[in-house]
Amino acid sequence: TQLLEQSPQFLSIQEGENLTVYCNSSSVFSSLQWYRQEPGEGPVLLVTVVTGGEVKKLKRLTFQFGDARKDSSLHITAAQPGDTGLYLCALLRGRGDDKIIFGKGTRLHILP
Amino acid sequence: EPEVTQTPSHQVTQMGQEVILRCVPISNHLYFYWYRQILGQKVEFLVSFYNNEISEKSEIFDDQFSVERPDGSNFTLKIRSTKLEDSAMYFCASKTSGGGAEAFFGQGTRLTVV
Repeated sequence: TQLLEQSPQFLSIQEGENLTVYCNSSSVFSSLQWYRQEPGEGPVLLVTVVTGGEVKKLKRLTFQFGDARKDSSLHITAAQPGDTGLYLCALLRGRGDDKIIFGKGTRLHILP
Repeated sequence: EPEVTQTPSHQVTQMGQEVILRCVPISNHLYFYWYRQILGQKVEFLVSFYNNEISEKSEIFDDQFSVERPDGSNFTLKIRSTKLEDSAMYFCASKTSGGGAEAFFGQGTRLTVV
């Protein structure tokens, strides 16, 4: 079983629509991160959430950490073609919480 | 803006050959990492490196793999005898400090073993 389950795996929507993608686990986390990865590039950190119930906004992106710190969501308002990419949730593990464990990601495609 | 750079961007090698993947981390960073991503699969941790030694390594990082920081700027991943299943994107990352500090990833090296 995966430590982090992301859904949906794929999402294709029209420009201007809203969407939400999810990251779930049966474990409680001290923090959770969201990354975006574009084709041929490495992951880029978008946000880190650390407090249960925490909401962080990054322009049209809203990230929420579940109250029980076992799940998180990413909501995009008025999606743009530039939002196309692979969205990965991740957590820190290992010695000193130094190792990043990634989910499989949600591949998002915004149609113009 | 400072960035992690990796060379080559694409490497094709024959099975059994040795390859060295090179990375230049951001200059004031002290913690270095290699991750890999097999096509269609998730990004996986390989190894972390600090103070000139391996801090942690995954089960994937067996005796065929080694890392080195030969000078003050380069960080390399060597695969001694490549296998078909080593074909993947290999990402280097660096951080200013351990723990929750932001990791900056390079653009990756696509390794194809034939």
